[in-house]
Amino acid sequence: EIVLTQSPATLSLSPGERATLSCRASQSVSSYLAWYQQKPGQAPRLLIYDASNRATGIPARFSGSGSGTDFTLTISGLEPEDFAVYYCQQRYNWPPLTFGGGTKVEIK
Amino acid sequence: QLQLQESGPGLVKPSETLSLTCTVSGGSISSRSYYWGWIRQPPGKGLEWIGSIYYSGSTYYNPSLKSRVTISVDTSKNQFSLKLSSVTAADTAVYYCASPHYDILTGYKNAFDIWGQGTMVTVSS
Repeated sequence: EIVLTQSPATLSLSPGERATLSCRASQSVSSYLAWYQQKPGQAPRLLIYDASNRATGIPARFSGSGSGTDFTLTISGLEPEDFAVYYCQQRYNWPPLTFGGGTKVEIK
Repeated sequence: QLQLQESGPGLVKPSETLSLTCTVSGGSISSRSYYWGWIRQPPGKGLEWIGSIYYSGSTYYNPSLKSRVTISVDTSKNQFSLKLSSVTAADTAVYYCASPHYDILTGYKNAFDIWGQGTMVTVSS
């Protein structure tokens, strides 16, 4: 099973700042990594697939990069609605599909 | 626009079987020729993939749950279902169904782009 480790667990930032979230895989997942955003009481929303492709309707301030074992989600300028929990998910080697433990982006 | 809706009991007794159904509207399960998924989230915790079913019926399960999970599909009703047997308090979670993401250039992915709203299932006597 591929384990995904997200860091940091919590990121405290102010609106307008740049957020950099990390996801590290226990073995290579090539570029088969997705990022999701989840707000309280809501289902996750797909942001990025295949490491760097934005899903339909996702603002350009969200970008993904990386391959192999190290991936980054960058939010170039935090909007109030971006404060949420973010999860990465690999689809390279399954079953099982696995998710990271999440990074909470909170208002500083 | 595709929508998914989970339904089923919100309370299940320990040792019994949890049964949920995901009803797809605004499109057919067969129109997305790939794997539809069930994912769960215990209160205050992260996401756990339970299993996926291909539109034609083949399944993959999380090895950690495989002995207790059955996922099935009924394309005539545009539904797919989850059964989890011998539940314990550790199975208390919000359960989501989700549809596979489709990229026009590269096809279907095992990433989930449309999710149901989720249904809370509590295991308690």
